[in-house]
Amino acid sequence: QKEVEQNSGPLSVPEGAIASLNCTYSDRGSQSFFWYRQYSGKSPELIMSIYSNGDKEDGRFTAQLNKASQYVSLLIRDSQPSDSATYLCAAGGSYIPTFGRGTSLIVHP
Amino acid sequence: GAGVSQTPSNKVTEKGKYVELRCDPISGHTALYWYRQSLGQGPEFLIYFQGTGAADDSGLPNDRFFAVRPEGSVSTLKIQRTERGDSAVYLCASSLTEGQGYTFGSGTRLTVV
Repeated sequence: QKEVEQNSGPLSVPEGAIASLNCTYSDRGSQSFFWYRQYSGKSPELIMSIYSNGDKEDGRFTAQLNKASQYVSLLIRDSQPSDSATYLCAAGGSYIPTFGRGTSLIVHP
Repeated sequence: GAGVSQTPSNKVTEKGKYVELRCDPISGHTALYWYRQSLGQGPEFLIYFQGTGAADDSGLPNDRFFAVRPEGSVSTLKIQRTERGDSAVYLCASSLTEGQGYTFGSGTRLTVV
């Protein structure tokens, strides 16, 4: 069974700090990896996708992928209170990603 | 449309009744997915359409669940003989092609009483 594991948190960081969110996946055949942000009572919103080993940066967000360790992470620099949400990691083979349960992030002023 | 549209946003039904949930994907998106999400859990895959055909329905929990996409755009998820355990948020998502990240709709919150 394909599994994606995330620490449910909450992860609490002060405003302006770097938030580091981590995810491991069980399916070595996974080829595509995604991070979604989900505010309470809202649907998930895609914030990052990554397909090859290494880092991918987009504004304050950096996704990191290590296929050998089956590990994906998301770094959020200069965290803002508006970043407070649940972050879902998803890992997929050809087309159907499996989602983790999400990590709750709280950024406090 | 500009986004993925789901109707209704909320549905309360009695145990044993039949419900239909509608999804209108982003125009031109050939891939359409149905997920459901319970509180504190990640989205759980139900079914994937590529065009008009169900390319993968392995996530449907049992034969009470069925989905169609007759013209390759709007999709309807149908649940027969609803049970209290079916209560969840049903999410629809679409992508331009398979393997890409999704755009989710705002979901339908189904409550079976």
